[in-house]
Amino acid sequence: NAGVTQTPKFQVLKTGQSMTLQCAQDMNHEYMSWYRQDPGMGLRLIHYSVGAGITDQGEVPNGYNVSRSTTEDFPLRLLSAAPSHTSVYFCASSRQGLGTTEAFFGQGTRLTVV
Amino acid sequence: QQQVKQSPQSLIVQKGGISIINCAYENTAFDYFPWYQQFPGKGPALLIAIRPDVSEKKEGRFTISFNKSAKQFSLHIMDSQPGDSATYFCAASPNSGGSNYKLTFGKGTLLTVNP
Repeated sequence: NAGVTQTPKFQVLKTGQSMTLQCAQDMNHEYMSWYRQDPGMGLRLIHYSVGAGITDQGEVPNGYNVSRSTTEDFPLRLLSAAPSHTSVYFCASSRQGLGTTEAFFGQGTRLTVV
Repeated sequence: QQQVKQSPQSLIVQKGGISIINCAYENTAFDYFPWYQQFPGKGPALLIAIRPDVSEKKEGRFTISFNKSAKQFSLHIMDSQPGDSATYFCAASPNSGGSNYKLTFGKGTLLTVNP
């Protein structure tokens, strides 16, 4: 059981380039989210999805977009990289339902924009 | 606007001691409060979580204390071990309707447990 898989693990981009961070989960979870982690800032929600075909913005969505064509995959697209996008990105998934359902995180993608 | 405030930023504890990390929240719609543990190079992993209908939850050496009226909650690690050295994040979400995907995190506490 792989859980949440993110690729790539590391990436260096030049300012203005675009790229897609991949996220896949094999737990049949309805919910998926993208967070970015910056030193001293905790994790901040970028975009989230409550099911295939449904996405919405989180706290820091600028410069990113997402799509959710299948339950398993939730790619994050960086439209035009800037140094402010340098961060560690985490994808998470959780099952639908009330109560203390756990969010499972991937291993992260460390992105550096030069 | 920081909706979940976490303190301290860093904490050094001797092996066998008690580690205490505190969080305060502002949004009264929050009703799910998890703590995540993160080791270097890894993603966060759920440690323990609480709903506001109880004031305390204990799992092994880890305890969450929750004060709804003060809008505060804390993590206590008893008998702290060097293997507990990690970054700890408190979080909160409005769980009504199953919206636990919208976690708001504190800024994290780097815990170091000295042997």
